[in-house]
Amino acid sequence: AQKITQTQPGMFVQEKEAVTLDCTYDTSDPSYGLFWYKQPSSGEMIFLIYQGSYDQQNATEGRYSLNFQKARKSANLVISASQLGDSAMYFCAMRDDSGGGADGLTFGKGTHLIIQP
Amino acid sequence: AAGVIQSPRHLIKEKRETATLKCYPIPRHDTVYWYQQGPGQDPQFLISFYEKMQSDKGSIPDRFSAQQFSDYHSELNMSSLELGDSALYFCASSLERGQGDYEQYFGPGTRLTVT
Repeated sequence: AQKITQTQPGMFVQEKEAVTLDCTYDTSDPSYGLFWYKQPSSGEMIFLIYQGSYDQQNATEGRYSLNFQKARKSANLVISASQLGDSAMYFCAMRDDSGGGADGLTFGKGTHLIIQP
Repeated sequence: AAGVIQSPRHLIKEKRETATLKCYPIPRHDTVYWYQQGPGQDPQFLISFYEKMQSDKGSIPDRFSAQQFSDYHSELNMSSLELGDSALYFCASSLERGQGDYEQYFGPGTRLTVT
């Protein structure tokens, strides 16, 4: 079974500062994928970044980077130069990539990030 | 770019009624997923389909059923609705594994309220 733990229920950060959102995971799957999604107050789920368990380099997408430490089973999201529009709920999620088929994602409880001016 | 389309966006039903939610995936995506997100909760995976066949099954109640059609759109059918079914229902779509990146892209969701 897969488990995602996000230990920060809420965070307040000053605008323009960098933000690190924590995510640890537990799985027995030999191959897996890790995801981060952003959910603003309007409700939509916005895909941010993906990291495969066998990827050698940390994933980056614009201001987002994923600090993947496989031995520690952590997949922290780093947002550089935070903006007011980054205020949202952030979910870390995992998928089993070791078998065939279209596997569903297992989500963490989320971190509510508030960027202050 | 085209996104996942869900309809209706809002739905109000009474207890014991039925509801049908529709999902139209991103063009070329052949895989759809359904998730349920209760108030203040994380999304819970319900079920997924690839090429009209059920692929993975999560915590979908027996009162719910789903299918994928030949044009890849999908419908989630919910019967004997309960108050606890009130939630935001997301559909997501992706390419099938082996066809490149197959990240799941979510639709805007259908907000179901059961009274």
